Amino acid sequence: GAGVSQSPRYKVAKRGQDVALRCDPISGHVSLFWYQQALGQGPEFLTYFQNEAQLDKSGLPSDRFFAERPEGSVSTLKIQRTQQEDSAVYLCASSPGGIGEQYFGPGTRLTVT
Amino acid sequence: ILNVEQSPQSLHVQEGDSTNFTCSFPSSNFYALHWYRWETAKSPEALFVMTLNGDEKKKGRISATLNTKEGYSYLYIKGSQPEDSATYLCASSGLGGSQGNLIFGKGTKLSVKP
Repeated sequence: GAGVSQSPRYKVAKRGQDVALRCDPISGHVSLFWYQQALGQGPEFLTYFQNEAQLDKSGLPSDRFFAERPEGSVSTLKIQRTQQEDSAVYLCASSPGGIGEQYFGPGTRLTVT
Repeated sequence: ILNVEQSPQSLHVQEGDSTNFTCSFPSSNFYALHWYRWETAKSPEALFVMTLNGDEKKKGRISATLNTKEGYSYLYIKGSQPEDSATYLCASSGLGGSQGNLIFGKGTKLSVKP
């Protein structure tokens, strides 16, 4: 079956622009996670959804970052007024629920110039 | 700060060599240890999820062990092939505040020369 997909795969934004990154999880997966991987670092947790409820957003680096999953399936990560330090690969992962294996998408590479 | 550490940072081997990497993690609040393989431009692929002290898992030429008491895991690749070239990430779950969010190491980048 289809895995986790993300779009766009690459995004170049000028500093100050708003961007929206999309994640299509595996159908039926309850849990959805967003991670940010800066150059030379491991992925870092941003936020977690269980169905449409955002249960943890403790990893979001600033109030310029906003995530939603209104119908409990597709999720969007929005970054307002992008800054150069936002340049990173943004990974989305889904899982059937609970603490277990997470299935990752290919990521969106965001470059802020 | 609860850190997951991986070593070495990078590794260059010849085809046919066997190799191993280390992942260390805080043993408190531990639930599971995950290994992923991440090839360039592809999705990270899950290799193993291990929860029990002493766990050993194997998939083809790749195997992993887990020691939760001392907080480390080893990943072994026997007879490396060029297609094994990738970044190998380990992650621990149960450390963070959210159910299941993973705390990753920085990864070990493996290059296998034909």
